[in-house]
Amino acid sequence: DAGVTQSPTHLIKTRGQQVTLRCSPISGHKSVSWYQQVLGQGPQFIFQYYEKEERGRGNFPDRFSARQFPNYSSELNVNALLLGDSALYLCASSLGPDPDNYGYTFGSGTRLTVV
Amino acid sequence: GESVGLHLPTLSVQEGDNSIINCAYSNSASDYFIWYKQESGKGPQFIIDIRSNMDKRQGQRVTVLLNKTVKHLSLQIAATQPGDSAVYFCAENMLTFGGGTRLMVKP
Repeated sequence: DAGVTQSPTHLIKTRGQQVTLRCSPISGHKSVSWYQQVLGQGPQFIFQYYEKEERGRGNFPDRFSARQFPNYSSELNVNALLLGDSALYLCASSLGPDPDNYGYTFGSGTRLTVV
Repeated sequence: GESVGLHLPTLSVQEGDNSIINCAYSNSASDYFIWYKQESGKGPQFIIDIRSNMDKRQGQRVTVLLNKTVKHLSLQIAATQPGDSAVYFCAENMLTFGGGTRLMVKP
Protein backbone atom coordinates (compact mmCIF):
# COMPACT_ATOMS: atom_id res chain seq x y z
CA ASP A 1 0.00 0.00 0.00
CA ALA A 2 1.21 3.49 -0.83
CA GLY A 3 1.97 5.69 2.14
CA VAL A 4 1.71 9.46 2.22
CA THR A 5 3.33 10.80 -0.93
CA GLN A 6 4.67 14.31 -1.32
CA SER A 7 5.92 16.09 -4.40
CA PRO A 8 8.33 17.36 -5.37
CA THR A 9 10.98 15.88 -3.06
CA HIS A 10 13.32 18.83 -3.53
CA LEU A 11 12.77 22.34 -4.78
CA ILE A 12 14.87 25.47 -5.17
CA LYS A 13 13.16 28.84 -5.47
CA THR A 14 14.23 32.47 -5.50
CA ARG A 15 13.15 35.04 -2.95
CA GLY A 16 9.82 36.60 -3.85
CA GLN A 17 8.63 33.62 -5.88
CA GLN A 18 5.64 31.45 -5.13
CA VAL A 19 5.67 27.70 -4.54
CA THR A 20 3.07 24.92 -4.46
CA LEU A 21 3.69 21.68 -2.60
CA ARG A 22 1.51 18.62 -3.01
CA CYS A 23 0.43 15.80 -0.74
CA SER A 24 -1.49 12.62 -1.44
CA PRO A 25 -2.80 10.97 1.72
CA ILE A 26 -3.06 7.28 2.39
CA SER A 27 -6.11 5.84 0.65
CA GLY A 28 -9.16 6.33 2.86
CA HIS A 29 -7.59 9.07 4.95
CA LYS A 30 -9.67 12.24 4.97
CA SER A 31 -7.49 14.50 7.10
CA VAL A 32 -4.27 16.16 6.00
CA SER A 33 -1.98 18.28 8.16
CA TRP A 34 1.00 20.36 7.07
CA TYR A 35 4.13 21.06 9.08
CA GLN A 36 7.27 23.12 8.56
CA GLN A 37 10.51 21.69 9.90
CA VAL A 38 13.49 24.00 9.91
CA LEU A 39 16.83 22.22 10.02
CA GLY A 40 17.70 21.17 13.55
CA GLN A 41 14.24 21.85 14.96
CA GLY A 42 10.99 20.02 15.51
CA PRO A 43 8.06 20.30 13.11
CA GLN A 44 5.77 23.32 13.44
CA PHE A 45 2.08 22.97 12.68
CA ILE A 46 0.85 25.03 9.73
CA PHE A 47 -2.61 23.75 8.71
CA GLN A 48 -5.04 20.90 9.13
CA TYR A 49 -7.74 20.07 6.60
CA TYR A 50 -10.53 17.58 7.09
CA GLU A 51 -13.26 16.82 4.58
CA LYS A 52 -12.03 19.75 2.49
CA GLU A 53 -12.48 22.27 5.30
CA GLU A 54 -9.74 24.05 7.22
CA ARG A 55 -9.87 22.69 10.76
CA GLY A 56 -6.85 24.33 12.29
CA ARG A 57 -4.15 26.85 11.57
CA GLY A 58 -0.81 27.46 13.22
CA ASN A 59 1.03 30.71 13.75
CA PHE A 60 2.08 31.38 10.18
CA PRO A 61 1.62 34.51 8.05
CA ASP A 62 -1.04 34.87 5.40
CA ARG A 63 1.57 34.12 2.75
CA PHE A 64 0.88 30.49 3.62
CA SER A 65 -2.34 28.97 2.32
CA ALA A 66 -3.63 25.49 1.61
CA ARG A 67 -6.56 23.61 0.26
CA GLN A 68 -7.88 20.08 0.11
CA PHE A 69 -9.45 18.54 -2.96
CA PRO A 70 -12.43 16.16 -3.28
CA ASN A 71 -10.03 13.21 -3.50
CA TYR A 72 -8.53 14.41 -0.16
CA SER A 73 -5.17 15.33 -1.65
CA SER A 74 -3.86 18.71 -0.58
CA GLU A 75 -1.71 21.59 -1.72
CA LEU A 76 0.29 24.04 0.36
CA ASN A 77 1.03 27.39 -1.25
CA VAL A 78 3.59 29.89 -0.07
CA ASN A 79 3.75 33.33 -1.67
CA ALA A 80 6.50 35.94 -1.63
CA LEU A 81 9.10 33.46 -0.47
CA LEU A 82 11.65 34.52 2.13
CA LEU A 83 15.01 32.94 2.90
CA GLY A 84 13.53 31.86 6.23
CA ASP A 85 10.97 29.72 4.45
CA SER A 86 13.73 27.24 3.62
CA ALA A 87 12.72 24.07 5.40
CA LEU A 88 11.41 20.54 5.10
CA TYR A 89 7.65 20.67 4.60
CA LEU A 90 5.90 17.62 5.96
CA CYS A 91 2.45 16.33 5.29
CA ALA A 92 0.65 13.91 7.60
CA SER A 93 -2.59 12.11 6.89
CA SER A 94 -5.10 10.39 9.15
CA LEU A 95 -8.54 8.80 8.94
CA GLY A 96 -10.02 11.60 11.05
CA PRO A 97 -8.96 14.90 12.54
CA ASP A 98 -8.45 14.02 16.20
CA PRO A 99 -4.93 12.71 16.85
CA ASP A 100 -5.91 10.79 19.97
CA ASN A 101 -8.45 8.78 18.00
CA TYR A 102 -6.71 8.49 14.64
CA GLY A 103 -3.03 7.91 14.07
CA TYR A 104 -1.12 10.35 11.89
CA THR A 105 1.26 9.07 9.21
CA PHE A 106 3.90 11.40 7.80
CA GLY A 107 5.28 11.59 4.32
CA SER A 108 9.00 12.04 3.67
CA GLY A 109 8.55 15.73 3.00
CA THR A 110 9.51 18.32 0.42
CA ARG A 111 12.84 20.03 0.96
CA LEU A 112 12.42 23.68 -0.06
CA THR A 113 15.47 25.88 -0.47
CA VAL A 114 14.98 29.61 -1.02
CA VAL A 115 17.97 31.45 -2.46
CA GLY B 1 2.98 30.80 24.11
CA GLU B 2 2.73 27.11 24.91
CA SER B 3 5.75 25.00 24.12
CA VAL B 4 7.11 21.52 24.32
CA GLY B 5 10.85 21.22 24.84
CA LEU B 6 13.56 18.68 25.44
CA HIS B 7 16.30 18.79 28.06
CA LEU B 8 19.10 17.05 26.13
CA PRO B 9 19.87 17.77 22.50
CA THR B 10 22.19 14.76 22.07
CA LEU B 11 22.30 11.42 23.85
CA SER B 12 25.05 8.88 23.22
CA VAL B 13 24.63 5.33 24.55
CA GLN B 14 26.33 1.99 24.20
CA GLU B 15 24.56 -0.72 22.24
CA GLY B 16 22.55 -2.86 24.63
CA ASP B 17 22.14 -0.14 27.24
CA ASN B 18 18.84 1.49 28.06
CA SER B 19 18.13 5.01 26.80
CA ILE B 20 16.00 7.70 28.40
CA ILE B 21 14.89 10.75 26.47
CA ASN B 22 13.12 13.54 28.34
CA CYS B 23 10.61 16.19 27.37
CA ALA B 24 9.02 19.06 29.27
CA TYR B 25 5.72 20.63 28.28
CA SER B 26 4.09 23.81 29.47
CA ASN B 27 0.41 23.42 28.61
CA SER B 28 -1.20 21.78 31.61
CA ALA B 29 -4.41 21.30 29.61
CA SER B 30 -2.71 18.96 27.12
CA ASP B 31 -4.33 15.56 27.09
CA TYR B 32 -2.45 13.55 24.48
CA PHE B 33 1.26 13.07 23.85
CA ILE B 34 3.16 11.25 21.15
CA TRP B 35 6.79 10.24 20.62
CA TYR B 36 8.17 10.23 17.09
CA LYS B 37 11.42 8.93 15.63
CA GLN B 38 12.93 10.65 12.61
CA GLU B 39 15.76 9.19 10.60
CA SER B 40 17.79 11.24 8.19
CA GLY B 41 15.88 12.06 5.02
CA LYS B 42 12.62 10.62 6.29
CA GLY B 43 9.45 11.88 7.87
CA PRO B 44 8.70 11.30 11.56
CA GLN B 45 7.62 7.79 12.46
CA PHE B 46 5.17 7.07 15.29
CA ILE B 47 6.68 5.23 18.25
CA ILE B 48 4.22 5.37 21.13
CA ASP B 49 1.55 7.62 22.59
CA ILE B 50 -0.06 8.26 25.94
CA ARG B 51 -3.21 10.00 27.13
CA SER B 52 -3.19 12.32 30.10
CA ASN B 53 -5.28 9.89 32.18
CA MET B 54 -2.36 7.45 32.17
CA ASP B 55 1.04 7.53 33.87
CA LYS B 56 2.77 4.83 31.89
CA ARG B 57 2.41 2.96 28.66
CA GLN B 58 4.56 0.18 27.28
CA GLY B 59 5.26 -0.97 23.78
CA GLN B 60 7.84 -3.24 22.27
CA ARG B 61 11.14 -2.19 23.92
CA VAL B 62 9.72 1.30 24.57
CA THR B 63 7.98 2.82 27.55
CA VAL B 64 6.54 6.29 27.92
CA LEU B 65 6.13 7.86 31.33
CA LEU B 66 3.98 10.90 32.01
CA ASN B 67 4.27 13.05 35.11
CA LYS B 68 1.51 15.61 35.00
CA THR B 69 2.52 17.19 38.29
CA VAL B 70 5.77 18.49 36.84
CA LYS B 71 4.63 18.40 33.21
CA HIS B 72 7.30 15.96 32.16
CA LEU B 73 7.34 13.16 29.62
CA SER B 74 10.01 10.54 29.04
CA LEU B 75 10.73 7.84 26.50
CA GLN B 76 12.63 4.79 27.64
CA ILE B 77 14.18 2.45 25.08
CA ALA B 78 15.33 -0.91 26.38
CA ALA B 79 18.40 -2.69 24.97
CA THR B 80 19.16 0.14 22.56
CA GLN B 81 20.22 -1.01 19.10
CA PRO B 82 22.13 0.75 16.30
CA GLY B 83 18.86 0.98 14.38
CA ASP B 84 17.50 3.19 17.15
CA SER B 85 19.93 5.96 16.15
CA ALA B 86 17.74 8.88 15.08
CA VAL B 87 16.23 12.13 16.31
CA TYR B 88 13.34 11.72 18.73
CA PHE B 89 10.55 14.26 19.17
CA CYS B 90 7.77 14.53 21.67
CA ALA B 91 4.54 16.08 20.45
CA GLU B 92 1.48 17.49 22.14
CA ASN B 93 -1.83 16.83 20.38
CA MET B 94 0.04 16.93 17.06
CA LEU B 95 0.13 20.72 17.37
CA THR B 96 3.36 21.39 19.24
CA PHE B 97 6.61 19.48 18.86
CA GLY B 98 9.73 19.60 20.95
CA GLY B 99 13.07 20.57 19.46
CA GLY B 100 14.29 16.97 19.26
CA THR B 101 16.99 14.81 20.84
CA ARG B 102 19.54 13.01 18.73
CA LEU B 103 20.19 9.48 19.95
CA MET B 104 23.52 8.00 18.93
CA VAL B 105 24.13 4.32 19.60
CA LYS B 106 27.72 3.18 19.80
CA PRO B 107 28.42 -0.43 18.76
